[in-house]
Amino acid sequence: GQQLNQSPQSMFIQEGEDVSMNCTSSSIFNTWLWYKQDPGEGPVLLIALYKAGELTSNGRLTAQFGITRKDSFLNISASIPSDVGIYFCAGQVTNFGNEKLTFGTGTRLTIIP
Amino acid sequence: DGGITQSPKYLFRKEGQNVTLSCEQNLNHDAMYWYRQDPGQGLRLIYYSQIVNDFQKGDIAEGYSVSREKKESFPLTVTSAQKNPTAFYLCASRWTGLTGELFFGEGSRLTVL
Repeated sequence: GQQLNQSPQSMFIQEGEDVSMNCTSSSIFNTWLWYKQDPGEGPVLLIALYKAGELTSNGRLTAQFGITRKDSFLNISASIPSDVGIYFCAGQVTNFGNEKLTFGTGTRLTIIP
Repeated sequence: DGGITQSPKYLFRKEGQNVTLSCEQNLNHDAMYWYRQDPGQGLRLIYYSQIVNDFQKGDIAEGYSVSREKKESFPLTVTSAQKNPTAFYLCASRWTGLTGELFFGEGSRLTVL
């Protein structure tokens, strides 16, 4: 099955730093979603994007739906210890009655004390 | 509270045994999904169901089976034919349609000894 290219695979940062990660695809998507997964738990939805060029914020998180509809970006400002986890992007092509998400391989965020 | 409940959280089984993972949702979502997650990899789709009494194979359906007899329930059976069943299994659900975001359960970790 198709997978998205998500980068970086891992990040080691200090508390307070800003974080940027992105996903790219060879296919066009109609929807981009960003999830965070804590160890041993299910992913939790952070931000949903529905329109090319859309920029959406959720607290310290900001995500953008790329103009080409083939990429998306997630930024985290002023990182804190609870930001640690794995971040997944997911893209969806609208196919009425048969929508499926394609997931990226994840970005593992670690905060160095 | 509304949500998706997976059980059991942890399961140990001997090689050659079939096991069934439970997934129940009280969100009144139409569609339900099963994903498999291996260390360092993204989520891979096993099976999904858009409506009661109907389901489709995902990208890695071999060695798995599902049923959808009720809207709120979508159990997954990992059969003895699955070559490498040890993994973290995630159930998810959503409303069908253009903007139905996917919500996940907390996951079930299956270890085959």
